[in-house]
Amino acid sequence: EDKVVQSPLSLVVHEGDTVTLNCSYEVTNFRSLLWYKQEKKAPTFLFMLTSSGIEKKSGRLSSILDKKELFSILNITATQTGDSAVYLCAVGNAGGTSYGKLTFGQGTILTVHP
Amino acid sequence: KAGVTQTPRYLIKTRGQQVTLSCSPISGHRSVSWYQQTPGQGLQFLFEYFSETQRNKGNFPGRFSGRQFSNSRSEMNVSTLELGDSALYLCASSLGPVGPRDTEAFFGQGTRLTVV
Repeated sequence: EDKVVQSPLSLVVHEGDTVTLNCSYEVTNFRSLLWYKQEKKAPTFLFMLTSSGIEKKSGRLSSILDKKELFSILNITATQTGDSAVYLCAVGNAGGTSYGKLTFGQGTILTVHP
Repeated sequence: KAGVTQTPRYLIKTRGQQVTLSCSPISGHRSVSWYQQTPGQGLQFLFEYFSETQRNKGNFPGRFSGRQFSNSRSEMNVSTLELGDSALYLCASSLGPVGPRDTEAFFGQGTRLTVV
Protein backbone atom coordinates (compact mmCIF):
# COMPACT_ATOMS: atom_id res chain seq x y z
CA GLU A 1 0.00 0.00 0.00
CA ASP A 2 1.29 3.47 -0.88
CA LYS A 3 2.34 5.47 2.15
CA VAL A 4 3.43 9.08 2.74
CA VAL A 5 4.54 10.14 6.23
CA GLN A 6 5.15 13.71 7.30
CA SER A 7 6.95 14.97 10.36
CA PRO A 8 6.57 16.73 12.62
CA LEU A 9 2.77 16.69 12.77
CA SER A 10 2.77 20.15 14.30
CA LEU A 11 5.27 22.89 14.87
CA VAL A 12 5.11 26.20 16.72
CA VAL A 13 7.74 28.82 15.99
CA HIS A 14 8.26 32.57 16.22
CA GLU A 15 8.53 34.99 13.36
CA GLY A 16 11.99 34.96 11.85
CA ASP A 17 12.69 31.32 12.67
CA THR A 18 13.65 28.80 9.99
CA VAL A 19 11.67 25.57 9.79
CA THR A 20 12.24 22.25 8.05
CA LEU A 21 9.32 19.97 7.26
CA ASN A 22 9.94 16.34 6.37
CA CYS A 23 8.19 13.92 4.07
CA SER A 24 9.07 10.27 3.51
CA TYR A 25 7.29 7.94 1.13
CA GLU A 26 6.86 4.40 -0.11
CA VAL A 27 4.85 4.28 -3.32
CA THR A 28 4.77 2.21 -6.47
CA ASN A 29 5.36 3.89 -9.84
CA PHE A 30 6.72 7.10 -8.35
CA ARG A 31 6.22 10.06 -10.67
CA SER A 32 6.64 13.19 -8.58
CA LEU A 33 6.52 14.70 -5.12
CA LEU A 34 4.40 17.76 -4.50
CA TRP A 35 4.10 20.24 -1.66
CA TYR A 36 0.92 22.18 -0.93
CA LYS A 37 -0.07 24.86 1.58
CA GLN A 38 -3.60 24.67 2.95
CA GLU A 39 -4.96 27.58 4.95
CA LYS A 40 -8.72 27.37 4.79
CA LYS A 41 -10.05 25.44 1.87
CA ALA A 42 -8.10 24.68 -1.27
CA PRO A 43 -4.57 23.31 -1.01
CA THR A 44 -2.35 25.80 -2.83
CA PHE A 45 0.37 24.35 -5.04
CA LEU A 46 3.92 25.15 -3.92
CA PHE A 47 6.36 22.82 -5.68
CA MET A 48 6.55 19.72 -7.77
CA LEU A 49 9.80 17.76 -7.72
CA THR A 50 10.65 14.94 -10.04
CA SER A 51 14.45 14.83 -10.07
CA SER A 52 16.63 13.91 -7.17
CA GLY A 53 19.01 16.47 -5.70
CA ILE A 54 17.67 19.51 -7.53
CA GLU A 55 16.45 22.22 -5.21
CA LYS A 56 13.37 24.21 -6.12
CA LYS A 57 13.05 27.69 -4.65
CA SER A 58 10.33 30.28 -4.42
CA GLY A 59 11.12 33.26 -2.25
CA ARG A 60 11.66 32.05 1.30
CA LEU A 61 10.53 28.51 0.51
CA SER A 62 12.70 25.79 -0.92
CA SER A 63 12.42 22.05 -1.33
CA ILE A 64 14.60 19.15 -2.34
CA LEU A 65 13.95 15.52 -3.17
CA ASP A 66 16.11 12.46 -2.46
CA LYS A 67 14.81 9.59 -4.57
CA LYS A 68 17.38 7.17 -3.24
CA GLU A 69 16.39 7.66 0.40
CA LEU A 70 12.73 8.30 -0.50
CA PHE A 71 12.22 11.62 1.24
CA SER A 72 11.82 15.32 0.69
CA ILE A 73 12.19 18.41 2.86
CA LEU A 74 10.49 21.77 2.69
CA ASN A 75 12.40 24.68 4.19
CA ILE A 76 10.89 28.00 5.12
CA THR A 77 13.31 30.74 6.16
CA ALA A 78 12.49 33.95 8.02
CA THR A 79 8.99 32.69 8.83
CA GLN A 80 6.08 35.12 8.97
CA THR A 81 2.66 34.82 10.59
CA GLY A 82 1.22 34.40 7.09
CA ASP A 83 3.12 31.13 6.80
CA SER A 84 0.81 29.60 9.42
CA ALA A 85 -1.00 26.79 7.62
CA VAL A 86 -1.10 23.06 7.09
CA TYR A 87 1.66 21.92 4.75
CA LEU A 88 0.79 18.83 2.76
CA CYS A 89 3.17 16.50 1.01
CA ALA A 90 1.80 14.33 -1.79
CA VAL A 91 3.35 11.75 -4.05
CA GLY A 92 2.11 11.40 -7.59
CA ASN A 93 2.17 7.98 -9.11
CA ALA A 94 1.26 6.83 -12.54
CA GLY A 95 0.93 3.40 -13.98
CA GLY A 96 -1.33 1.46 -16.28
CA THR A 97 -4.18 3.73 -17.26
CA SER A 98 -3.66 6.12 -14.35
CA TYR A 99 -1.83 9.38 -14.89
CA GLY A 100 -2.07 11.32 -11.73
CA LYS A 101 -3.23 9.80 -8.48
CA LEU A 102 -1.86 11.69 -5.48
CA THR A 103 -1.23 10.01 -2.14
CA PHE A 104 -1.11 12.54 0.70
CA GLY A 105 0.65 12.62 4.02
CA GLN A 106 -1.15 13.67 7.19
CA GLY A 107 0.13 17.21 6.93
CA THR A 108 2.25 19.39 9.22
CA ILE A 109 0.42 22.14 11.09
CA LEU A 110 2.74 25.14 11.26
CA THR A 111 1.92 27.98 13.65
CA VAL A 112 4.04 31.11 13.51
CA HIS A 113 3.70 33.48 16.46
CA PRO A 114 4.55 37.19 16.15
CA LYS B 1 -6.62 32.26 -16.33
CA ALA B 2 -9.51 30.97 -14.24
CA GLY B 3 -8.76 28.37 -11.62
CA VAL B 4 -10.60 25.21 -10.75
CA THR B 5 -14.27 25.90 -10.03
CA GLN B 6 -16.32 23.70 -7.76
CA THR B 7 -20.02 24.05 -7.10
CA PRO B 8 -21.76 24.25 -4.80
CA ARG B 9 -19.45 25.51 -2.05
CA TYR B 10 -21.64 24.28 0.79
CA LEU B 11 -24.30 21.61 0.98
CA ILE B 12 -26.42 20.18 3.77
CA LYS B 13 -28.18 16.89 3.08
CA THR B 14 -30.12 14.34 5.07
CA ARG B 15 -29.06 10.72 5.51
CA GLY B 16 -30.29 8.56 2.67
CA GLN B 17 -30.37 11.36 0.12
CA GLN B 18 -28.03 11.65 -2.82
CA VAL B 19 -25.83 14.52 -3.89
CA THR B 20 -24.05 15.66 -7.05
CA LEU B 21 -20.98 17.88 -6.97
CA SER B 22 -19.51 19.65 -9.97
CA CYS B 23 -15.98 20.59 -10.99
CA SER B 24 -14.76 22.68 -13.91
CA PRO B 25 -11.02 22.28 -14.46
CA ILE B 26 -8.53 24.94 -15.52
CA SER B 27 -8.89 25.74 -19.21
CA GLY B 28 -6.73 23.35 -21.19
CA HIS B 29 -6.56 20.77 -18.40
CA ARG B 30 -8.05 17.46 -19.37
CA SER B 31 -7.61 15.38 -16.24
CA VAL B 32 -9.77 15.70 -13.12
CA SER B 33 -9.33 13.90 -9.83
CA TRP B 34 -11.51 13.94 -6.73
CA TYR B 35 -10.44 13.74 -3.10
CA GLN B 36 -12.25 13.51 0.21
CA GLN B 37 -10.79 15.38 3.16
CA THR B 38 -11.81 14.63 6.75
CA PRO B 39 -10.08 15.50 10.03
CA GLY B 40 -9.51 11.85 10.85
CA GLN B 41 -8.40 10.46 7.48
CA GLY B 42 -6.84 13.47 5.80
CA LEU B 43 -6.97 13.71 2.01
CA GLN B 44 -8.00 10.49 0.33
CA PHE B 45 -8.15 9.77 -3.38
CA LEU B 46 -11.60 9.02 -4.77
CA PHE B 47 -11.17 8.76 -8.54
CA GLU B 48 -9.38 10.13 -11.57
CA TYR B 49 -10.83 10.93 -15.00
CA PHE B 50 -9.22 11.64 -18.33
CA SER B 51 -10.85 11.69 -21.72
CA GLU B 52 -14.26 10.88 -20.19
CA THR B 53 -12.88 7.62 -18.78
CA GLN B 54 -12.26 6.69 -15.18
CA ARG B 55 -8.55 5.89 -14.97
CA ASN B 56 -8.24 4.97 -11.32
CA LYS B 57 -10.46 4.56 -8.29
CA GLY B 58 -9.70 4.74 -4.58
CA ASN B 59 -11.01 2.52 -1.82
CA PHE B 60 -14.50 3.92 -1.50
CA PRO B 61 -17.83 2.09 -1.66
CA GLY B 62 -19.84 1.94 -4.86
CA ARG B 63 -22.11 4.72 -3.53
CA PHE B 64 -19.41 7.08 -4.74
CA SER B 65 -19.37 7.53 -8.49
CA GLY B 66 -18.32 10.09 -11.00
CA ARG B 67 -18.15 11.00 -14.63
CA GLN B 68 -16.39 13.37 -16.98
CA PHE B 69 -17.87 15.19 -19.93
CA SER B 70 -16.36 15.97 -23.32
CA ASN B 71 -15.46 19.50 -22.16
CA SER B 72 -13.45 17.95 -19.26
CA ARG B 73 -15.94 19.10 -16.62
CA SER B 74 -16.58 16.42 -14.04
CA GLU B 75 -19.27 15.50 -11.58
CA MET B 76 -19.22 13.18 -8.63
CA ASN B 77 -22.27 11.60 -7.08
CA VAL B 78 -22.79 10.10 -3.66
CA SER B 79 -25.94 8.06 -3.19
CA THR B 80 -27.61 6.94 0.04
CA LEU B 81 -25.69 9.46 2.10
CA GLU B 82 -24.33 8.45 5.50
CA LEU B 83 -23.24 10.67 8.38
CA GLY B 84 -19.65 9.63 7.73
CA ASP B 85 -19.77 11.15 4.25
CA SER B 86 -19.60 14.61 5.82
CA ALA B 87 -16.35 16.02 4.49
CA LEU B 88 -14.67 18.55 2.26
CA TYR B 89 -14.69 17.24 -1.31
CA LEU B 90 -11.85 18.59 -3.40
CA CYS B 91 -11.40 18.47 -7.11
CA ALA B 92 -7.94 18.63 -8.69
CA SER B 93 -7.20 19.64 -12.26
CA SER B 94 -4.14 18.62 -14.25
CA LEU B 95 -3.01 18.63 -17.85
CA GLY B 96 -3.25 14.89 -18.44
CA PRO B 97 -0.59 12.58 -19.85
CA VAL B 98 1.98 15.16 -20.96
CA GLY B 99 5.09 13.72 -19.39
CA PRO B 100 6.62 14.86 -16.10
CA ARG B 101 3.93 17.45 -15.47
CA ASP B 102 1.08 14.99 -15.61
CA THR B 103 0.82 14.84 -11.82
CA GLU B 104 1.05 18.64 -11.31
CA ALA B 105 -2.39 19.20 -9.84
CA PHE B 106 -4.25 22.34 -8.83
CA PHE B 107 -7.19 22.25 -6.45
CA GLY B 108 -10.55 23.94 -6.37
CA GLN B 109 -12.01 25.55 -3.25
CA GLY B 110 -13.92 22.41 -2.43
CA THR B 111 -17.49 21.57 -1.54
CA ARG B 112 -18.23 21.27 2.17
CA LEU B 113 -20.85 18.51 2.51
CA THR B 114 -22.66 18.09 5.80
CA VAL B 115 -24.92 15.07 6.25
CA VAL B 116 -27.45 15.33 9.07
